[in-house]
Amino acid sequence: AQRVTQPEKLLSVFKGAPVELKCNYSYSGSPELFWYVQYSRQRLQLLLRHISRESIKGFTADLNKGETSFHLKKPFAQEEDSAMYYCALMSGGFKTIFGAGTRLFVKA
Amino acid sequence: EAGVAQSPRYKIIEKRQSVAFWCNPISGHATLYWYQQILGQGPKLLIQFQNNGVVDDSQLPKDRFSAERLKGVDSTLKIQPAKLEDSAVYLCASSPGQNTGELFFGEGSRLTVL
Repeated sequence: AQRVTQPEKLLSVFKGAPVELKCNYSYSGSPELFWYVQYSRQRLQLLLRHISRESIKGFTADLNKGETSFHLKKPFAQEEDSAMYYCALMSGGFKTIFGAGTRLFVKA
Repeated sequence: EAGVAQSPRYKIIEKRQSVAFWCNPISGHATLYWYQQILGQGPKLLIQFQNNGVVDDSQLPKDRFSAERLKGVDSTLKIQPAKLEDSAVYLCASSPGQNTGELFFGEGSRLTVL
Protein backbone atom coordinates (compact mmCIF):
# COMPACT_ATOMS: atom_id res chain seq x y z
CA ALA A 1 0.00 0.00 0.00
CA GLN A 2 1.10 3.53 -0.66
CA ARG A 3 1.83 5.64 2.35
CA VAL A 4 3.50 8.94 3.15
CA THR A 5 4.72 9.57 6.67
CA GLN A 6 5.73 12.91 8.11
CA PRO A 7 6.78 12.16 11.68
CA GLU A 8 6.81 15.74 12.98
CA LYS A 9 3.58 17.70 13.39
CA LEU A 10 5.43 20.83 14.43
CA LEU A 11 8.95 22.06 13.85
CA SER A 12 10.11 25.26 15.46
CA VAL A 13 13.47 26.84 14.57
CA PHE A 14 15.13 30.22 14.88
CA LYS A 15 15.66 32.46 11.90
CA GLY A 16 18.94 31.62 10.22
CA ALA A 17 19.01 28.06 11.54
CA PRO A 18 18.99 25.03 9.23
CA VAL A 19 15.70 23.27 8.62
CA GLU A 20 14.95 19.67 7.75
CA LEU A 21 11.37 18.43 7.36
CA LYS A 22 11.24 14.66 7.22
CA CYS A 23 9.23 12.55 4.80
CA ASN A 24 9.26 8.79 4.39
CA TYR A 25 7.22 6.87 1.87
CA SER A 26 6.06 3.37 1.15
CA TYR A 27 5.49 2.38 -2.47
CA SER A 28 6.43 -0.71 -4.42
CA GLY A 29 6.87 1.06 -7.74
CA SER A 30 8.92 4.02 -8.88
CA PRO A 31 7.43 7.04 -7.12
CA GLU A 32 7.31 10.66 -8.00
CA LEU A 33 7.56 12.81 -4.91
CA PHE A 34 6.58 16.37 -4.21
CA TRP A 35 6.55 18.95 -1.48
CA TYR A 36 3.52 21.20 -1.25
CA VAL A 37 3.25 24.26 0.97
CA GLN A 38 0.34 26.18 2.41
CA TYR A 39 1.05 29.68 3.68
CA SER A 40 -1.40 31.37 6.01
CA ARG A 41 -4.69 32.14 4.25
CA GLN A 42 -3.43 30.84 0.92
CA ARG A 43 -4.25 27.74 -1.04
CA LEU A 44 -2.09 24.65 -1.14
CA GLN A 45 0.60 24.97 -3.81
CA LEU A 46 3.53 23.06 -5.19
CA LEU A 47 6.92 23.88 -3.71
CA LEU A 48 9.13 21.42 -5.54
CA ARG A 49 9.23 17.99 -7.18
CA HIS A 50 12.03 15.47 -7.06
CA ILE A 51 12.34 14.96 -10.82
CA SER A 52 13.24 18.61 -11.30
CA ARG A 53 16.12 18.50 -8.83
CA GLU A 54 15.64 22.23 -8.40
CA SER A 55 15.97 24.61 -5.49
CA ILE A 56 12.90 26.71 -4.77
CA LYS A 57 13.06 29.54 -2.21
CA GLY A 58 16.29 27.98 -0.97
CA PHE A 59 14.66 24.61 -0.32
CA THR A 60 15.99 21.34 -1.74
CA ALA A 61 14.89 17.75 -1.39
CA ASP A 62 16.72 14.60 -2.40
CA LEU A 63 15.03 11.30 -3.07
CA ASN A 64 16.78 8.48 -1.21
CA LYS A 65 15.34 5.23 -2.53
CA GLY A 66 17.39 3.12 -0.14
CA GLU A 67 15.90 4.86 2.88
CA THR A 68 12.59 5.61 1.09
CA SER A 69 12.89 9.22 2.18
CA PHE A 70 12.41 12.63 0.61
CA HIS A 71 13.41 15.11 3.29
CA LEU A 72 13.06 18.85 2.66
CA LYS A 73 16.02 21.01 3.63
CA LYS A 74 16.98 24.63 3.81
CA PRO A 75 20.30 25.85 5.20
CA PHE A 76 19.03 29.15 6.63
CA ALA A 77 15.38 29.47 7.61
CA GLN A 78 13.53 32.74 7.10
CA GLU A 79 10.44 33.98 8.93
CA GLU A 80 8.48 33.86 5.68
CA ASP A 81 9.08 30.11 5.52
CA SER A 82 6.58 29.63 8.33
CA ALA A 83 3.82 27.48 6.82
CA MET A 84 2.34 23.97 6.59
CA TYR A 85 4.41 21.61 4.49
CA TYR A 86 3.02 18.44 2.96
CA CYS A 87 4.97 15.65 1.35
CA ALA A 88 3.11 13.93 -1.50
CA LEU A 89 3.58 10.77 -3.55
CA MET A 90 2.25 10.30 -7.05
CA SER A 91 1.81 6.77 -8.35
CA GLY A 92 0.52 5.43 -11.63
CA GLY A 93 -2.38 7.25 -13.22
CA PHE A 94 -1.43 10.46 -11.45
CA LYS A 95 -2.95 9.29 -8.16
CA THR A 96 -1.51 11.56 -5.48
CA ILE A 97 -1.58 10.97 -1.74
CA PHE A 98 -0.37 13.29 1.00
CA GLY A 99 1.29 13.01 4.37
CA ALA A 100 -0.22 14.51 7.51
CA GLY A 101 1.87 17.64 7.20
CA THR A 102 4.44 19.47 9.30
CA ARG A 103 3.91 22.97 10.58
CA LEU A 104 7.14 24.97 10.39
CA PHE A 105 7.43 27.93 12.69
CA VAL A 106 10.44 30.18 12.22
CA LYS A 107 11.09 32.38 15.21
CA ALA A 108 12.69 35.81 14.94
CA GLU B 1 -4.90 31.96 -15.95
CA ALA B 2 -7.86 31.53 -13.65
CA GLY B 3 -7.33 29.11 -10.82
CA VAL B 4 -9.49 26.27 -9.54
CA ALA B 5 -12.80 27.66 -8.32
CA GLN B 6 -14.84 26.11 -5.54
CA SER B 7 -18.13 26.96 -3.90
CA PRO B 8 -19.48 27.43 -1.38
CA ARG B 9 -16.52 28.48 0.74
CA TYR B 10 -18.35 27.69 3.96
CA LYS B 11 -21.35 25.55 4.81
CA ILE B 12 -22.96 24.69 8.11
CA ILE B 13 -25.58 21.95 8.23
CA GLU B 14 -27.13 19.62 10.76
CA LYS B 15 -26.43 15.92 10.74
CA ARG B 16 -28.57 13.90 8.35
CA GLN B 17 -28.93 16.88 6.03
CA SER B 18 -27.41 16.92 2.56
CA VAL B 19 -24.83 19.22 1.01
CA ALA B 20 -23.21 19.68 -2.38
CA PHE B 21 -19.91 21.24 -3.35
CA TRP B 22 -18.99 22.48 -6.78
CA CYS B 23 -15.60 22.70 -8.48
CA ASN B 24 -14.53 24.32 -11.71
CA PRO B 25 -11.00 23.21 -12.66
CA ILE B 26 -8.42 25.07 -14.68
CA SER B 27 -9.38 25.07 -18.34
CA GLY B 28 -7.92 22.12 -20.20
CA HIS B 29 -6.99 20.12 -17.12
CA ALA B 30 -8.00 16.52 -17.70
CA THR B 31 -7.56 15.24 -14.16
CA LEU B 32 -9.70 16.38 -11.25
CA TYR B 33 -9.40 15.35 -7.61
CA TRP B 34 -11.54 15.72 -4.52
CA TYR B 35 -9.76 15.57 -1.17
CA GLN B 36 -11.12 15.63 2.36
CA GLN B 37 -8.97 17.41 4.92
CA ILE B 38 -9.99 16.93 8.53
CA LEU B 39 -8.50 19.40 11.00
CA GLY B 40 -4.93 18.47 11.87
CA GLN B 41 -4.61 15.90 9.09
CA GLY B 42 -3.31 15.86 5.55
CA PRO B 43 -5.58 15.82 2.51
CA LYS B 44 -7.18 12.42 1.97
CA LEU B 45 -8.03 11.48 -1.61
CA LEU B 46 -11.74 10.77 -2.05
CA ILE B 47 -12.06 10.48 -5.80
CA GLN B 48 -10.04 11.11 -8.95
CA PHE B 49 -11.47 11.75 -12.41
CA GLN B 50 -9.72 11.55 -15.75
CA ASN B 51 -11.91 13.63 -18.06
CA ASN B 52 -15.37 12.39 -17.05
CA GLY B 53 -14.33 8.89 -16.01
CA VAL B 54 -13.53 7.76 -12.47
CA VAL B 55 -9.91 6.65 -12.02
CA ASP B 56 -9.97 5.98 -8.28
CA ASP B 57 -12.77 6.17 -5.74
CA SER B 58 -11.51 3.55 -3.32
CA GLN B 59 -11.62 5.94 -0.37
CA LEU B 60 -15.02 7.42 -1.13
CA PRO B 61 -17.71 6.38 1.40
CA LYS B 62 -20.16 5.44 -1.28
CA ASP B 63 -23.08 4.94 1.08
CA ARG B 64 -23.24 8.69 1.61
CA PHE B 65 -20.82 10.40 -0.77
CA SER B 66 -21.23 10.74 -4.50
CA ALA B 67 -19.39 12.72 -7.13
CA GLU B 68 -19.74 13.37 -10.80
CA ARG B 69 -17.91 15.22 -13.51
CA LEU B 70 -20.29 15.79 -16.35
CA LYS B 71 -18.74 16.64 -19.72
CA GLY B 72 -15.28 16.32 -18.21
CA VAL B 73 -15.21 19.85 -16.85
CA ASP B 74 -17.05 20.92 -13.67
CA SER B 75 -17.55 18.51 -10.83
CA THR B 76 -19.89 18.21 -7.87
CA LEU B 77 -19.38 16.31 -4.63
CA LYS B 78 -22.48 15.44 -2.62
CA ILE B 79 -22.91 14.15 0.89
CA GLN B 80 -26.26 12.67 1.91
CA PRO B 81 -26.90 12.20 4.76
CA ALA B 82 -24.10 14.05 6.52
CA LYS B 83 -22.53 12.82 9.74
CA LEU B 84 -20.64 14.75 12.39
CA GLU B 85 -17.37 13.19 11.25
CA ASP B 86 -17.81 14.69 7.77
CA SER B 87 -16.83 18.08 9.17
CA ALA B 88 -13.76 18.97 7.14
CA VAL B 89 -12.41 21.11 4.33
CA TYR B 90 -13.18 19.63 0.92
CA LEU B 91 -10.43 20.46 -1.53
CA CYS B 92 -10.72 20.26 -5.27
CA ALA B 93 -7.57 20.06 -7.37
CA SER B 94 -6.88 19.72 -11.06
CA SER B 95 -3.89 18.68 -13.11
CA PRO B 96 -3.01 18.67 -16.79
CA GLY B 97 -2.41 14.95 -16.38
CA GLN B 98 0.54 14.96 -18.71
CA ASN B 99 4.28 15.48 -18.19
CA THR B 100 3.80 16.97 -14.77
CA GLY B 101 2.21 15.70 -11.62
CA GLU B 102 1.59 19.16 -10.24
CA LEU B 103 -1.81 19.63 -8.67
CA PHE B 104 -3.48 23.02 -8.63
CA PHE B 105 -5.77 23.48 -5.66
CA GLY B 106 -8.86 25.49 -5.02
CA GLU B 107 -9.39 27.40 -1.78
CA GLY B 108 -11.53 24.63 -0.38
CA SER B 109 -15.06 24.34 1.00
CA ARG B 110 -15.27 24.19 4.77
CA LEU B 111 -18.10 22.01 6.03
CA THR B 112 -19.32 22.03 9.61
CA VAL B 113 -21.87 19.38 10.59
CA LEU B 114 -23.73 20.09 13.84
